[in-house]
Amino acid sequence: AQTIHQWPVAEIKAVGSPLSLGCTIKGKSSPNLYWYWQATGGTLQQLFYSITVGQVESVVQLNLSASRPKDDQFILSTEKLLLSHSGFYLCAWSQGEQYFGPGTRLTVL
Amino acid sequence: GDSVTQTEGQVTVSESKSLIINCTYSATSIGYPNLFWYVRYPGEGLQLLLKVITAGQKGSSRGFEATYNKEATSFHLQKASVQESDSAVYYCALNNNAGAKLTFGGGTRLTVRP
Repeated sequence: AQTIHQWPVAEIKAVGSPLSLGCTIKGKSSPNLYWYWQATGGTLQQLFYSITVGQVESVVQLNLSASRPKDDQFILSTEKLLLSHSGFYLCAWSQGEQYFGPGTRLTVL
Repeated sequence: GDSVTQTEGQVTVSESKSLIINCTYSATSIGYPNLFWYVRYPGEGLQLLLKVITAGQKGSSRGFEATYNKEATSFHLQKASVQESDSAVYYCALNNNAGAKLTFGGGTRLTVRP
């Protein structure tokens, strides 16, 4: 069975500090991977997707970047957080439908 | 671009009563999009509730139903008799023919009163 793990579960960070969020998928080789973001009270938006190692496509520009260093790993990062980055970040993989991880709640102060 | 609209941000229903959560969509891609309902139960991750990929068809799961109405561009979620355990946030979504991007509605928080 496939499992998807996200870390950390929650993070409180200062404006201007760096950020790294991670996502790992086990039990599925070469999955399509996705990052989504939901601001408090907002809609889930797809940020990035990747169909293979080393390749990431940006969907929405939010001063964030993503990388796929391994087949089963997807990283979301920025060198300088903004207040507007606060929200809920979801990683997903797809095989037909998309399957979501538990999410990371980010608070930027 | 594509968009999904859920008009109710919150819905409260008494147990055993019927439910309808509205969803309408606009898709710019050629052909008809695939339509989904996702659900997030308290303390759990987002999970697929049901999907329909053919216009005119009905999807069902856990007592919920939704019919793909291409004329009205709607995909309303219905249940004849809700239970307290149905309390959750429900998201309508679509993906275009490329399949890579899911577009979500704003979500509807359902509270079922005992």
